[in-house]
Amino acid sequence: DIQLTQSPSSLSATVGDRVTITCRASQSINSFLNWYQQKPGKAPRLLIYAASSLHSGVPSGFSGSGSGTEFTLTISSLQPEDFATYYCQQSYSTPYTFGQGTKVEIK
Amino acid sequence: QVQLVESGGGLVKPGGSLRLSCAASGFTFSDYYVTWIRQAPGKALEWISYISGSSTYTNYADSVKGRFTISRDNAKDSLFLQMNSLRAEDTAVYFCARLAAPGLNYFDYWGQGILVTVSS
Repeated sequence: DIQLTQSPSSLSATVGDRVTITCRASQSINSFLNWYQQKPGKAPRLLIYAASSLHSGVPSGFSGSGSGTEFTLTISSLQPEDFATYYCQQSYSTPYTFGQGTKVEIK
Repeated sequence: QVQLVESGGGLVKPGGSLRLSCAASGFTFSDYYVTWIRQAPGKALEWISYISGSSTYTNYADSVKGRFTISRDNAKDSLFLQMNSLRAEDTAVYFCARLAAPGLNYFDYWGQGILVTVSS
C-alpha cells in the first residue's frame, strides 16, 4: 500500500497568514494526488485534484503543486472559514489511501 | 445539484450485520463509479470499497475484504454496503462518495455520513 505522510500534523496560524501543508508519498504517484478539507462533524470537501487542479467552486486562494512523491497545498491568505483539517489522498492505485491529516487552528 | 444521503447506520453487536444505503440524486447515477469511505472517531479517512457504474468492477480494502459487499441498484439510484462479521474496529462514520472520473479517481461529492457503532 502507498503511504502518505503529511506535515505538520497541526499548525496554529492567524487570519491572513500564508499556510503550506506537505504530503509525501512512499513511492511515486505521478500527479495522482488530491486534497480535501474537513470541518468537525462534516463530510470532507474536495479542494484540489490531480495535484494542482482547483475543483469547481473552491476559492482561488487554495493551490496545489508537486509530482512524484512530494506535494504541497498552499492557502495564500488564511480566512476564518479555512480553519479545518486537511487531508491528502492518492488515487494512483488501490487501496486509495489518505494522509493522517493536518489540523489548522487559530493562533 | 448532486446529493448523496446515507442511511441504515446504528448500534450493532460484534459479529452482527448491518446494511448501509446511499441515495443519489442530481446526476446520472449509472454513469459513475461510487465508493464507501469511513472515518473512525478522531481518526483519518479510510477508503474501503468502490463499484463501477454497471457493477462490473468492485474493489475492497483488505480490512473489509470477505466481510463487506458493495452493490448498487441503478434503477433506484442507490448504493449499498452489506457489512457482516462486524468488529469493534469497524466503528466509524461511513461516507458514500462519487468518483469524479475513471482514471483520476478522486471523490468530488460526498454524503453527510452515517455512524456505525459496533459494541456489546
